[in-house]
Amino acid sequence: DTAVSQTPKYLVTQMGNDKSIKCEQNLGHDTMYWYKQDSKKFLKIMFSYNNKELIINETVPNRFSPKSPDKAHLNLHINSLELGDSAVYFCASSQDFVEQYFGPGTRLTVT
Amino acid sequence: QKEVEQNSGPLSVPEGAIASLNCTYSDRGSQSFFWYRQYSGKSPELIMSIYSNGDKEDGRFTAQLNKASQYVSLLIRDSQPSDSATYLCAVISRRDKIIFGKGTRLHILP
Repeated sequence: DTAVSQTPKYLVTQMGNDKSIKCEQNLGHDTMYWYKQDSKKFLKIMFSYNNKELIINETVPNRFSPKSPDKAHLNLHINSLELGDSAVYFCASSQDFVEQYFGPGTRLTVT
Repeated sequence: QKEVEQNSGPLSVPEGAIASLNCTYSDRGSQSFFWYRQYSGKSPELIMSIYSNGDKEDGRFTAQLNKASQYVSLLIRDSQPSDSATYLCAVISRRDKIIFGKGTRLHILP
């Protein structure tokens, strides 16, 4: 049973479109995260949610909006996609900001 | 100074030898330190965490922390080809901000 799951695994879309990536964790963790890993493999945190509250927003464009319907889910919605948004997006979860468990990633390609 | 620095590599180590991976960080108030392994095309996987000065051993892996020098390292004993991956150092700062280094590519030579 997968601990942190993401859908879709691959996402190819055109500039200007709006898309969402879903994430679910069944570990009972209280904090979930979204990361972006660019072509140079640099992993950078975008958001984290703790008990349904946004607690970190790492100056990402406001075209990106996290949505957390409950503690086990943190979805990422992206408006007006740009070429530079192409990357692998990882969801992760942790308990009390310590060890993080990552989902399999969503490879987003914007054409 | 970058917040978390790692040598990008690649670091080539013969099979059976000890691989030594290093990481330095800039926030002296950081309290939590982690090593993640990432195989190509896969997600990062936690392999070690360390919170206090000294060594922490888990199987073939040993994490070492020196807060005075703002330095954390990972030793892999008896290196195997399956250890070939990118190793990411992660640090949680005093403001609960997690920062990853850019990773060190490790290549174990059969």
